[in-house]
Amino acid sequence: GAGVSQSPRYKVAKRGQDVALRCDPISGHVSLFWYQQALGQGPEFLTYFQNEAQLDKSGLPSDRFFAERPEGSVSTLKIQRTQQEDSAVYLCASSPGLAGVNTDTQYFGPGTRLTVL
Amino acid sequence: DQQVKQNSPSLSVQEGRISILNCDYTNSMFDYFLWYKKYPAEGPTFLISISSIKDKNEDGRFTVFLNKSAKHLSLHIVPSQPGDSAVYFCAASAGAGSYQLTFGKGTKLSVIP
Repeated sequence: GAGVSQSPRYKVAKRGQDVALRCDPISGHVSLFWYQQALGQGPEFLTYFQNEAQLDKSGLPSDRFFAERPEGSVSTLKIQRTQQEDSAVYLCASSPGLAGVNTDTQYFGPGTRLTVL
Repeated sequence: DQQVKQNSPSLSVQEGRISILNCDYTNSMFDYFLWYKKYPAEGPTFLISISSIKDKNEDGRFTVFLNKSAKHLSLHIVPSQPGDSAVYFCAASAGAGSYQLTFGKGTKLSVIP
């Protein structure tokens, strides 16, 4: 079956522009996660959804970052007034179960590489 | 401060030999550990995991060892194959009910034919 897909795969934005990154999780997966991976670093947790509810947004670096999953499937990560430090790969992951099952494997998409000029 | 550390950015191994990738952690609350493998232009793929109640978990050519007292884990790949060439990330989570993964910076493994 299809895995997690993300679009666009690459995005170049001028500083100050708004961007929207899309994630299509594996069908039926309840949990959805966003991570940010800066160059040479490991992924860092941004936010977590259980169905349409955003249960944890503790990793969002500023109020310029906003995520939504209105129908409990597709999710969008929006970054307003992009800055150069926002340049990174943004990874989406999904897992079949509810939050709190730390043995539940997270399946990652290929990521969106954002470059802010 | 980095709670999960992979101190070797890269590792080269001959095909057929053993690859050993190391990971150290500082947060004593971590109780579940995972290894992910990442090819270029792809997302990380789950490889193997271990709970803190165990000290070893094996899956085919991959074995993960956990030393809780030393806050150290390692991934052994035997025998190494060229297709194993990838970046390997160590990740950890803390406590029942935790879904947040904390990742290390990764180690790039090159298996030389």
